Amino acid sequence: DGGITQSPKYLFRKEGQNVTLSCEQNLNHDAMYWYRQDPGQGLRLIYYSQIVNDFQKGDIAEGYSVSREKKESFPLTVTSAQKNPTAFYLCASSIGREVYNEQFFGPGTRLTVL
Amino acid sequence: KQEVTQIPAALSVPEGENLVLNCSFTDSAIYNLQWFRQDPGKGLTSLLLIQSSQREQTSGRLNASLDKSSGRSTLYIAASQPGDSATYLCAVRRVRGSARQLTFGSGTQLTVLP
Repeated sequence: DGGITQSPKYLFRKEGQNVTLSCEQNLNHDAMYWYRQDPGQGLRLIYYSQIVNDFQKGDIAEGYSVSREKKESFPLTVTSAQKNPTAFYLCASSIGREVYNEQFFGPGTRLTVL
Repeated sequence: KQEVTQIPAALSVPEGENLVLNCSFTDSAIYNLQWFRQDPGKGLTSLLLIQSSQREQTSGRLNASLDKSSGRSTLYIAASQPGDSATYLCAVRRVRGSARQLTFGSGTQLTVLP
């Protein structure tokens, strides 16, 4: 089965801690993305990567970090510098680097800061 | 700055009714527009992708139209069913700035009553 997996499904963090959200895809897609969704709002782009070992900031990158060491993996770290991290986090991927390609999404991780 | 608006925020209809969801965007310089479905607590499922050169796309009971010059798209759902209940999001892929970024609307929450 080809697809995008995110883990864990639910994550709880104490204030001041860093946490890392996992995103893996076996679709052989070149581009991967991280979005944040808050209740009643659309998705906002955090980071994206068009190719291994390269990534770009999105609209709300402050307090987050990413890496892209392998084509199939794009982990997101939520650092203690992120002031309001409680949200639903979605990972996506798309084939190739062309801008018109469709994005496919994973099931999401819900992060709650206690 | 691209802004995407979806009205209404919530819609409730009886089963069997045909319905239209609306999406408007402020900057007509887009590569494409994508409609998604999101079930509660889940990721996004891509429904239809319309390239900027296209006027509409159809998939089963769904038909999406695009009027780029007026900054509008509609998603038509024929013969609605309770299983269609979900939040529907539209997103446009910008030309200006980072071309890979999708800008999302906040969604229309649809409830189809049996």
